[in-house]
Amino acid sequence: DAMVIQNPRYQVTQFGKPVTLSCSQTLNHNVMYWYQQKSSQAPKLLFHYYDKDFNNEADTPDNFQSRRPNTSFCFLDIRSPGLGDTAMYLCATSNGQGRYEQYFGPGTRLTVT
Amino acid sequence: DQQVKQNSPSLSVQEGRISILNCDYTNSMFDYFLWYKKYPAEGPTFLISISSIKDKNEDGRFTVFLNKSAKHLSLHIVPSQPGDSAVYFCAAGPSGGYNKLIFGAGTRLAVHP
Repeated sequence: DAMVIQNPRYQVTQFGKPVTLSCSQTLNHNVMYWYQQKSSQAPKLLFHYYDKDFNNEADTPDNFQSRRPNTSFCFLDIRSPGLGDTAMYLCATSNGQGRYEQYFGPGTRLTVT
Repeated sequence: DQQVKQNSPSLSVQEGRISILNCDYTNSMFDYFLWYKKYPAEGPTFLISISSIKDKNEDGRFTVFLNKSAKHLSLHIVPSQPGDSAVYFCAAGPSGGYNKLIFGAGTRLAVHP
């Protein structure tokens, strides 16, 4: 089955220790997104890639970076995690061909201690 | 500034009855609206959508209604089943911006026997 996969599912890191979250997709979609979702809040878009073009949201902290080495993979790097970065991180894809539907992975629950 | 609001954090419905989940938005430039369903430990899954040129879209037990003048949409589930128990997110896409969705904070639906 075509899908969006995120690894790891759970990650605990220490304050200030860099962490990388991974997302891969078998849908061959052009667009990949990273969202941050805190408890009982709406998913908040951090950035997205349309093919190799990176699009950052204006209010995404500089502490958050992303890489997309190929169509299938996208990474979220948090350079110096703070306690406020504890959240669920969701990766999603869409085909970018005028369709709004996005397809989500199961998420990575990150805890910063 | 929340552009998409789901004012009811939770809803409890008896099996077999109708569930009505509501969503309000503030931006008249939104062109497309979607509902997602999320089970614990899973990512959101696309459920149903509606374009701003329509006022109703139906898919089996699920119907979405759009009232543009009131900037309001609702999801009706008839009849409700225990397996419908999940968090439901409303999302909106701006005109010409099919790469972006703005999400509400979600409504937790509990369908009890």
